[in-house]
Amino acid sequence: DAKTTQPPSMDCAEGRAANLPCNHSTISGNEYVYWYRQIHSQGPQYIIHGLKNNETNEMASLIITEDRKSSTLILPHATLRDTAVYYCIVRVTGTASKLTFGTGTRLQVTL
Amino acid sequence: DTGVSQNPRHKITKRGQNVTFRCDPISEHNRLYWYRQTLGQGPEFLTYFQNEAQLEKSRLLSDRFSAERPKGSFSTLEIQRTEQGDSAMYLCASSPQQGQIEKLFFGSGTQLSVL
Repeated sequence: DAKTTQPPSMDCAEGRAANLPCNHSTISGNEYVYWYRQIHSQGPQYIIHGLKNNETNEMASLIITEDRKSSTLILPHATLRDTAVYYCIVRVTGTASKLTFGTGTRLQVTL
Repeated sequence: DTGVSQNPRHKITKRGQNVTFRCDPISEHNRLYWYRQTLGQGPEFLTYFQNEAQLEKSRLLSDRFSAERPKGSFSTLEIQRTEQGDSAMYLCASSPQQGQIEKLFFGSGTQLSVL
């Protein structure tokens, strides 16, 4: 699976959009991009996934660049409850089912 | 959907003792995973079941570790002769088989402290 690079930490003011970047320059054509987050003392939570088109759900939007070498997770109106570690993961489709987590980005939402 | 349940939430044991953790996945999910997480790190994959078959094991899973999923329902993870380095959060996750998409649902984990 392709390696991802994320900033270790970011801050965001409550009510503003949080834009979390992820680099995956070695991504292959059949690898999906997944985002999970982990709130303190809880297990990770699935947020969104995509292959090459931009995706949106009730939690977030995922923007994938045309060359697929990077992506951005957007939380449109961050709240204090969005404070968490956000993991960007790329995984080959149709292979043995495991997700490989890195160290993620620690997002701190402040008043 | 009652979520993935893990028991116990916390376990304190002395070095050399055996411990067993239990995971109850979401009922219709046929895939079950175990991960381990230490402070400041992301979860590390340990092993994976599809129904009752254990299909993949990480090199992290030494011979002191064993996992089972009898009848393809709940799963247990046993650690024999615990060491201080085994102290970690042990996470269980399950997922439905939805083609090529992996949407994992995690439990809240079992925090193991080995004294």
